[in-house]
Amino acid sequence: GESVGLHLPTLSVQEGDNSIINCAYSNSASDYFIWYKQESGKGPQFIIDIRSNMDKRQGQRVTVLLNKTVKHLSLQIAATQPGDSAVYFCAPGSNYKLTFGKGTLLTVNP
Amino acid sequence: EAEVAQSPRYKITEKSQAVAFWCDPISGHATLYWYRQILGQGPELLVQFQDESVVDDSQLPKDRFSAERLKGVDSTLKIQPAELGDSAMYLCASSLELGDEQYFGPGTRLTVT
Repeated sequence: GESVGLHLPTLSVQEGDNSIINCAYSNSASDYFIWYKQESGKGPQFIIDIRSNMDKRQGQRVTVLLNKTVKHLSLQIAATQPGDSAVYFCAPGSNYKLTFGKGTLLTVNP
Repeated sequence: EAEVAQSPRYKITEKSQAVAFWCDPISGHATLYWYRQILGQGPELLVQFQDESVVDDSQLPKDRFSAERLKGVDSTLKIQPAELGDSAMYLCASSLELGDEQYFGPGTRLTVT
């Protein structure tokens, strides 16, 4: 089965700095990957996704990098803002099913 | 903006009691998902519907959990009897079709005492 790990359970950054959240996965059959943001008391919110035939995708202030060779992906947030404080989950997908990792708590200090 | 609705938002029940959660997906979304999220962990898929049919319920503890989506629109997840270990957030999500972006509701926080 799929196991998803995060290298750091918590990440604290200063406002304006760039943040990098890492995620390792085990299922080589995963063909798409989604990053979600979850604020306290709310459901997860889609941030960005990437297909397995890509190695980089950019959105507004966010970039996802995928390295299929080592089964690793990362989420980069540029110019981190206090509103970015939340738990971030990576969710590899296979056969229309997502497997969520444990999450990384990002805290942005003003 | 259309949202997934869930009720109740919070539920406290005693063990061995029955409890039910309701979800109304975004209009037109054919696929509906129920997840369980234990505190400090990521959501875990319990059951997935395509219209009124179950696509995947391999992680649903069928001895006590049941889910239905009779008319292919809203859905109910039931636990009977509830156990202490069922305390968690129960999240509902929907997507236009299988494999499309999933939109999550606010969840129901269940506490079993």
